[in-house]
Amino acid sequence: AQSVTQLGSHVSVSEGALVLLRCNYSSSVPPYLFWYVQYPNQGLQLLLKYTSAATLVKGINGFEAEFKKSETSFHLTKPSAHMSDAAEYFCAVSRSGYSTLTFGKGTMLLVSP
Amino acid sequence: EAGVAQSPRYKIIEKRQSVAFWCNPISGHATLYWYQQILGQGPKLLIQFQNNGVVDDSQLPKDRFSAERLKGVDSTLKIQPAKLEDSAVYLCASTQGQVSNEQFFGPGTRLTVL
Repeated sequence: AQSVTQLGSHVSVSEGALVLLRCNYSSSVPPYLFWYVQYPNQGLQLLLKYTSAATLVKGINGFEAEFKKSETSFHLTKPSAHMSDAAEYFCAVSRSGYSTLTFGKGTMLLVSP
Repeated sequence: EAGVAQSPRYKIIEKRQSVAFWCNPISGHATLYWYQQILGQGPKLLIQFQNNGVVDDSQLPKDRFSAERLKGVDSTLKIQPAKLEDSAVYLCASTQGQVSNEQFFGPGTRLTVL
């Protein structure tokens, strides 16, 4: 079975500050890992994904994440937050070769001026 | 390229009533998913279709929920009768194939059961 734990239901940063959203996974097989973003009243949009290639993955809107097998982590970072980054972020895991996703509970990112 | 379409966007019903949601996936996408997203939680898979066949419905409450994808294109999800705890956003997603690992999501239908 696979699972995802996102630490912190809410994260608050100031505009221009570093964004760090934490995700730890549990998987009995090599995982595929994903970060999705959800803006109010919208569906989920893929930010980036790890599928066993490079461990540092770059995504859209300046976000990146690093797969660390020893720590079973896939934390999402962005060097400088923008007001437009305020949204809910979901980490998800799937098995290699399967598309079914298991999501974490989400982290709401709040950006203050 | 048109995205995943869902309707209605919002629905309010009373408990014990019936409701249906519709989803039209991206053209050519063989795999379709329905998720339930309760407030404060991540999406939970209800059912996965590959063309018009069910791949996984292990988390679908079959006593009240049903879904179909008769022609392998659009899909409907039905709840009959609805309970208060069914209040949630119902998301539809699609991918090109069963092993594709990028799902494209629709805007969702927000259901409120009173």
